[in-house]
Amino acid sequence: GAVVSQHPSWVICKSGTSVKIECRSLDFQATTMFWYRQFPKQSLMLMATSNEGSKATYEQGVEKDKFLINHASLTLSTLTVTSAHPEDSSFYICSAPGTSAYNEQFFGPGTRLTVL
Amino acid sequence: AQSVTQLGSHVSVSEGALVLLRCNYSSSVPPYLFWYVQYPNQGLQLLLKYTTGATLVKGINGFEAEFKKSETSFHLTKPSAHMSDAAEYFCAVTGNTGFQKLVFGTGTRLLVSP
Repeated sequence: GAVVSQHPSWVICKSGTSVKIECRSLDFQATTMFWYRQFPKQSLMLMATSNEGSKATYEQGVEKDKFLINHASLTLSTLTVTSAHPEDSSFYICSAPGTSAYNEQFFGPGTRLTVL
Repeated sequence: AQSVTQLGSHVSVSEGALVLLRCNYSSSVPPYLFWYVQYPNQGLQLLLKYTTGATLVKGINGFEAEFKKSETSFHLTKPSAHMSDAAEYFCAVTGNTGFQKLVFGTGTRLLVSP
C-alpha cells in the first residue's frame, strides 16, 4: 500500500514551452501532496505544498506563476512548469503523507525534466 | 523549527565493513526522524523511522538507527556493507505536533568497494 506514481518519468522539451507533471496516490487518498526539486548530487528542496480544493502553498523563493500546481482530486496533483528554460532542468519528486499520525511521506519515483 | 545535519557528503567502505552514516538534528518539539535511501534517478525509499518508544529502530536491508536525545543524533548503521547498498542516504526530521513538513539533510553518498 501507499504507492505514489509520477508521470512522465522523464521529459525533454524546448525552451519556452510548458510541461505538466502528474503525481498520483494509487491506493490512498491525499488531501496534501508535496513537490520537491532536486539538483544533481544535492538534497531535496521543497517547492510547494499542494492542497486539494485550495491554493498551493509555495516556499519562499519559488515562483508561483512559473510552477503552477493544481490538486484537482484526492488522488491527483499536477505541477506545470510554464515557459520552461534550461535552468529549470532538474529532477522533480512528489510525495504524499500516509494515514499514520507520524508525518511519514511516500515518494513518487521522480520526473527528470530536461529543457533544451 | 527543525533542521538536519549530515556529516560527510561521501562515505566509502569496503564490502563487509561496518556502515555508519551520521545525522544530527535540531527540533523545537519532540521529533520524528527518518532515513531514506535514493538510488540513481529514482525516488526516495523509507529505510526506517523513529516516532516514539524504543530508541533503537530496525529497518529494511539490515539497517538500524538509534535515537539519542541527549546527543540529538540519529545515526544509521549496518554491520556489513553490500555492494547493493551503494546509494544516496537522506536523514529527515519533522515535528510531532500536527502535520508538518519533512526537513531533509544534505545527503550522504555511500560508496562500497569490493
